[in-house]
Amino acid sequence: DAGVIQSPRHEVTEMGQEVTLRCKPISGHNSLFWYRQTMMRGLELLIYFNNNVPIDDSGMPEDRFSAKMPNASFSTLKIQPSEPRDSAVYFCASSLAGGLAEAFFGQGTRLTVV
Amino acid sequence: AQSVTQPDIHITVSEGASLELRCNYSYGATPYLFWYVQSPGQGLQLLLKYFSGDTLVQGIKGFEAEFKRSQSSFNLRKPSVHWSDAAEYFCAVGQGNLIFGKGTKLSVKP
Repeated sequence: DAGVIQSPRHEVTEMGQEVTLRCKPISGHNSLFWYRQTMMRGLELLIYFNNNVPIDDSGMPEDRFSAKMPNASFSTLKIQPSEPRDSAVYFCASSLAGGLAEAFFGQGTRLTVV
Repeated sequence: AQSVTQPDIHITVSEGASLELRCNYSYGATPYLFWYVQSPGQGLQLLLKYFSGDTLVQGIKGFEAEFKRSQSSFNLRKPSVHWSDAAEYFCAVGQGNLIFGKGTKLSVKP
């Protein structure tokens, strides 16, 4: 398996634009997590899905952020409109059986909002 | 509140020296504990995990960690550090959604 695949690896966008980050989890994994990493706040869980259903989105910072998982092999994280303070590295991770098994991380998307 | 504290932001050790990275946690239930490593520009890779049983767990790359319930700690150790171990190390706790510490950056002197 190729692991968790995220795209794009780097994204530079202007403030106010819509940004969509994509994630393909490992085949067979039924949990998917979106994290944001910044120098100031470290790694923060934004949202996680079990069997394509959002379980906890309390980490989503604002209504500008939304995430979807239309099927078991694809998820998106959308920011609309984007702001400079959204600049961060966004990681997607997947696992079997929630947190009782190892979470495998993608290589991340480095987002820069100018 | 659930939290993970890694007291050391940055540690420098000489190659061949021993290493201990500290992790303290606050968690209401029985904790599931993890150590991840992140190389620059990369995602996180699991080093080891503790769910139950033997409190000394072995991981990849020669790392081990010891769970001490009385101290709410899960410190990571390695007897002899290699230059390739230079990276950032994250301790995490949780069931489902992991709570991460802020990380400890490890530098290795030749």
